[in-house]
Amino acid sequence: EVQLVESGGGLVQPGRSLRVSCAASGFTFDDYAMHWVRQAPGKGLEWVSGISWNSGTIGYADSLKGRFTISRDNAKNSLYLQMNSLRTEDTALYYCAKALGSSWYDAFDIWGQGTMVTVSS
Amino acid sequence: EIALTQSPATLSLSPGERATLSCRASQSVSNYLAWYQQKPGQPPRLLIYDASNRATGIPARFSGSGSGADFTLTISSLEPEDFAVYYCQQRSNWPPRVTFGGGTKVEIK
Repeated sequence: EVQLVESGGGLVQPGRSLRVSCAASGFTFDDYAMHWVRQAPGKGLEWVSGISWNSGTIGYADSLKGRFTISRDNAKNSLYLQMNSLRTEDTALYYCAKALGSSWYDAFDIWGQGTMVTVSS
Repeated sequence: EIALTQSPATLSLSPGERATLSCRASQSVSNYLAWYQQKPGQPPRLLIYDASNRATGIPARFSGSGSGADFTLTISSLEPEDFAVYYCQQRSNWPPRVTFGGGTKVEIK
């Protein structure tokens, strides 16, 4: 079964850092681009970042202003998002999503259940 | 950055009716346009990719059309399980960016 399982979310104070992870199974991880998408409570979807299969292409939402870093470890079938200088507006459910194909700009066909990040003092 | 505008924000319809959802881009996105369905408490589900291709397992009542900057998702006859929020999404190759529209909620009338 194709599966994505996020972890690492929690309550963190403004200005602190947090790393969330996504464990992939059931498919050949290093064949696909991967993405992070977040959803604030009661709001719509917001793309955060994406990374190609070989980490050669990486993109970030302009709104992040360089605070987040995406990475992947193909040997561990894992995707990561390092979040620094967290703000209250970063509070959201963070989803990991798999691209439909090998291209960075393929649609997202598999999603995890998400990990909740709450930024509050 | 390319912006996506979805309309209407809310669509009130009855089961069996036809739903037509619009997504307009601020500039051409070629056919790199996808549609997702999201139900409360669930992650999004891919319905349509590359403007008009149904994803695996998606019923034929869902169809996508359009190109350039104007796209449409049509649900030919609403089933009870189709009442949800729908998002369009575009991907650009360079710079590598992804944008979601604000969503259309399809609710029971």
